[in-house]
Amino acid sequence: GAVVSQHPSRVICKSGTSVKIECRSLDFQATTMFWYRQFPKKSLMLMATSNEGSKATYEQGVEKDKFLINHASLTLSTLTVTSAHPEDSSFYICSARSLGGGETQYFGPGTRLLVL
Amino acid sequence: SQELEQSPQSLIVQEGKNLTINCTSSKTLYGLYWYKQKYGEGLIFLMMLQKGGEEKSHEKITAKLDEKKQQSSLHITASQPSHAGIYLCGADNNQGGKLIFGQGTELSVKP
Repeated sequence: GAVVSQHPSRVICKSGTSVKIECRSLDFQATTMFWYRQFPKKSLMLMATSNEGSKATYEQGVEKDKFLINHASLTLSTLTVTSAHPEDSSFYICSARSLGGGETQYFGPGTRLLVL
Repeated sequence: SQELEQSPQSLIVQEGKNLTINCTSSKTLYGLYWYKQKYGEGLIFLMMLQKGGEEKSHEKITAKLDEKKQQSSLHITASQPSHAGIYLCGADNNQGGKLIFGQGTELSVKP
C-alpha cells in the first residue's frame, strides 16, 4: 500500500516552545491530508483537514491559532503546535488520501509529543 | 453527528480460535474502513467497504458491510498472536474524506 511518513516520531519540548510535525506522502500525491489526535487508550479525534494550496479546515473546538497547518505541496503537510503546554502532550497522526487513487486513506506512524 | 460503536471493547482469545468484532453506525455509512493499530504506532489499512452487502477478505481476515449499510463486522479465522492489536473502524461521512472512528477493540491472542 501507499506510504505516509511522519517526522519526528517522538519529541519532548519545554512548555511555551513551538513544535513542528511533518507528514509526507512518499509514493503518491495527496491533495488532502488529515490531522488526528489520539489520547492513551482512546480513539482518534479529527483535528483538521489540510488542503494543498488553501487554508486548513478545523474541527469544532480545535484552535486554529494553536495548531497551525500548512500544506505547501502535494506530498507535504505540517502541523505546528504553537506555545505548547503539557495538555498538548498527545499522539498526533496524519493521514493522506491519494490523488486519483480512490477513497483509501493511509496513515502515518504517528508523532508522540511530550510537553514538560 | 455520526457515531460509531464498536463491540466488544476488548477481547482475549486462544490462538487458533475465530473471533468477530462489530461496528455499528448511528447513520448510513458511505464508506467503512477497518484499520489495525499497535499501541503507540500508526494505523495499518486493512479493508474498505462501500456497497451494502459487500464482503472482502485478506488472508484470514474478512469484513462485511450489511445491506442497510449501518453495521460492519470483522471476522478473524484461526487467530494468531500476530493478529493482536487494536482494531478501529472508521466511517466516511461524505464530507470530503473525513473519517470518524469507533473507540477501538483491543484484541489479545494467547499462544
